[in-house]
Amino acid sequence: GAGVSQSPRYKVAKRGQDVALRCDPISGHVSLFWYQQALGQGPEFLTYFQNEAQLDKSGLPSDRFFAERPEGSVSTLKIQRTQQEDSAVYLCASSLPWTGNVQETQYFGPGTRLLVL
Amino acid sequence: AQSVSQHNHHVILSEAASLELGCNYSYGGTVNLFWYVQYPGQHLQLLLKYFSGDPLVKGIKGFEAEFIKSKFSFNLRKPSVQWSDTAEYFCAVNAWGHKLVFGAGTILRVKS
Repeated sequence: GAGVSQSPRYKVAKRGQDVALRCDPISGHVSLFWYQQALGQGPEFLTYFQNEAQLDKSGLPSDRFFAERPEGSVSTLKIQRTQQEDSAVYLCASSLPWTGNVQETQYFGPGTRLLVL
Repeated sequence: AQSVSQHNHHVILSEAASLELGCNYSYGGTVNLFWYVQYPGQHLQLLLKYFSGDPLVKGIKGFEAEFIKSKFSFNLRKPSVQWSDTAEYFCAVNAWGHKLVFGAGTILRVKS
């Protein structure tokens, strides 16, 4: 079946612009995650949704970062007043519900590469 | 601080050589462990995972990993690499809630 899709794949923004990154999870996956991957680093957790509820946003680096998933499917990560340090690949992942101690496998999308000039 | 360490950032091997990539994590409780792979131009894919049971886990494409709890390690191995194994490999741990914590990655280049 279809995997996780993200758009746009590439985004160039001028410093100070707002950007919106979209994620379409795998159908039926109620859990959705956003990660940020800086050059030469592993992905770092930003935020987590279970259906439309944002249960963990501890990784969002500042109040310029905002994520939503209003209908429990598609999610949007918004970055306001972008800064050069926001340049990174933004990854979305989805999974079946987390149950008990069994961590369901997270499936990743191709990412959006953001460059802030 | 919670962390995952991958020992080598770049590894270069010839085809048919054996591979072992190190991964250590800092957490003393129950963990779930993963290796993800990212082939050039592709997205992150799951290679193998450990939740419980047999600490020797077999994954796709002939890869395996061994969980050694006393050493806080989850090293990835393959007896004979192929040129097509050229990729970046990430170790990840789930121990602190829903999120995965990743290592910095190891770039493997296999010379044909």
